[in-house]
Amino acid sequence: DQQVKQNSPSLSVQEGRISILNCDYTNSMFDYFLWYKKYPAEGPTFLISISSIKDKNEDGRFTVFLNKSAKHLSLHIVPSQPGDSAVYFCAASASTGNQFYFGTGTSLTVIP
Amino acid sequence: DTGVSQNPRHKITKRGQNVTFRCDPISEHNRLYWYRQTLGQGPEFLTYFQNEAQLEKSRLLSDRFSAERPKGSFSTLEIQRTEQGDSAMYLCASSILTGTRSYEQYFGPGTRLTVT
Repeated sequence: DQQVKQNSPSLSVQEGRISILNCDYTNSMFDYFLWYKKYPAEGPTFLISISSIKDKNEDGRFTVFLNKSAKHLSLHIVPSQPGDSAVYFCAASASTGNQFYFGTGTSLTVIP
Repeated sequence: DTGVSQNPRHKITKRGQNVTFRCDPISEHNRLYWYRQTLGQGPEFLTYFQNEAQLEKSRLLSDRFSAERPKGSFSTLEIQRTEQGDSAMYLCASSILTGTRSYEQYFGPGTRLTVT
């Protein structure tokens, strides 16, 4: 049972444009959400997170939006750079933080 | 501290053999997680330690899998009687249970297991 879903396996964007990666979840107990970035042959690297008490969190070029009623979150990268090309995973947890559920990932390619 | 380390990076074993992986978390991190990742999937939670106590274990985890974290430092994951379906990347992550950053996990590079 996939509680966190990333329905777009891949995304291609021109350098300088906006990248929007989407994630949906089913469990209403989730209240903390994270995005990770993964390069080949490396473990995932933490990118940005958001608590359910917020609907937006921004860190430099990265912004995460949370729509609790739709059980949907998105990651915006502006402007996109070739170095952003990687697989992006969203993850969710309930308040204990004892267990995290990951989506299947979206492979982003930023074209120079 | 250079981050989370995992050893070995690669392991090839024959079906039926036992294997053990090691994870060394970031030194001040009291939370430690094990995940399994197969091709085209995201990391799948296996188990969680807070200090030396194993507080969560996935219901999907076969009894052939066991994990320990003696003294709340490094952790080991053992798979007994390996099967071809155990072939995957095994990831370890750690985090610190204080403040607002307690959910941010730092992942190691993983151990790739191939069962022949």
